[in-house]
Amino acid sequence: QKEVEQDPGPLSVPEGAIVSLNCTYSNSAFQYFMWYRQYSRKGPELLMYTYSSGNKEDGRFTAQVDKSSKYISLFIRDSQPSDSATYLCAPKTSGYALNFGKGTSLLVTP
Amino acid sequence: DTAVSQTPKYLVTQMGNDKSIKCEQNLGHDTMYWYKQDSKKFLKIMFSYNNKELIINETVPNRFSPKSPDKAHLNLHINSLELGDSAVYFCASSLPGLALSGANVLTFGAGSRLTVL
Repeated sequence: QKEVEQDPGPLSVPEGAIVSLNCTYSNSAFQYFMWYRQYSRKGPELLMYTYSSGNKEDGRFTAQVDKSSKYISLFIRDSQPSDSATYLCAPKTSGYALNFGKGTSLLVTP
Repeated sequence: DTAVSQTPKYLVTQMGNDKSIKCEQNLGHDTMYWYKQDSKKFLKIMFSYNNKELIINETVPNRFSPKSPDKAHLNLHINSLELGDSAVYFCASSLPGLALSGANVLTFGAGSRLTVL
């Protein structure tokens, strides 16, 4: 079983929709849960991160972690065409390495 | 002024050749990385250096050799290129303190797209 599983999509939604992106993981030692966004032909960039379980909100984005079920979610409210990108979850223990999921490709249509 | 810059952006070469990709960061970070992203978009770590010292060396063919002349530079040399080496290679950097004890905020370059024919 891979450490991080993520549905690759693609996920296509109309502008203004609420988007839910999810990951599952297997390593109970993960403590930090990061979301990176990658636009086409660009490098990934950090979107937001949470520590341990709970929610964190940043504008239209909400990250949610449920450590009991090893489930990570990213919600995007009022989605915009500019949100069209690949979203990669990246949980982490202590140490340097990030364990990226395969990423979910999102397309927001006007 | 690009924070993490990689050269070249595109590289097309024949099987069996040797090629290098260079990376430089001007963020003052101590830790640098090489990641490989395959055709299915899976991003996998290859190597990491902290202040010129190799700290992560994943299961990668020994045809791949990283080199860090100083903490602002991390180069990747690939010998005897194979078709399966075709991918996008990303360089990244981060602050080591946060990397060890907290969230690891990586700053990525734009990637170097390698095509082996």
